[in-house]
Amino acid sequence: NAGVTQTPKFQVLKTGQSMTLQCAQDMNHEYMSWYRQDPGMGLRLIHYSVGAGITDQGEVPNGYNVSRSTTEDFPLRLLSAAPSQTSVYFCASTRIGGVTEAFFGQGTRLTVV
Amino acid sequence: AQSVTQPDIHITVSEGASLELRCNYSYGATPYLFWYVQSPGQGLQLLLKYFSGDTLVQGIKGFEAEFKRSQSSFNLRKPSVHWSDAAEYFCRGGSSNTGKLIFGQGTTLQVKP
Repeated sequence: NAGVTQTPKFQVLKTGQSMTLQCAQDMNHEYMSWYRQDPGMGLRLIHYSVGAGITDQGEVPNGYNVSRSTTEDFPLRLLSAAPSQTSVYFCASTRIGGVTEAFFGQGTRLTVV
Repeated sequence: AQSVTQPDIHITVSEGASLELRCNYSYGATPYLFWYVQSPGQGLQLLLKYFSGDTLVQGIKGFEAEFKRSQSSFNLRKPSVHWSDAAEYFCRGGSSNTGKLIFGQGTTLQVKP
């Protein structure tokens, strides 16, 4: 099993550009979520989904958009990149939400210039 | 509100010394608790988990953790630290109501030769 596949691993964007970070899991997990990791701030929840067609905002949703059209995929869209969105992004999936083991992608290191 | 707290942001230990990383939780019901390790530039890897039963749980890489309900703690321990243990460590809980993963702020471990 591939687990959670996150692409790309590295990306440089110019301010104002848009892009999509891809996240796919092959474990038939219902719950998927996106986090950003910044030095000294731990992991902050951006958006999450409890199943296909259902998404909700986390702590830091501004500037990001998500959709969940299938169980497997949960892409994160940056609508108009800003330098404040320079960060490392992680996607995670769990079988039934917060009470089961979470599996993480390898991360995307995004730099906005 | 449910929360997970790691009081120590940074810890330095000598190679071969014992290690204890602290984690405190604030929960109403039975907590589901996890410890993850993140090596530089990598994703998060599960070290161990606690759902119920034995309060001392064994994990990978020689780590163990003890759940103490009276102290609302789930501290991670290792008898003898190796240089390769230098990494960031995250304690994690989860909400059975919202499905959210609840992370501590992380503890960075530095190992002195």
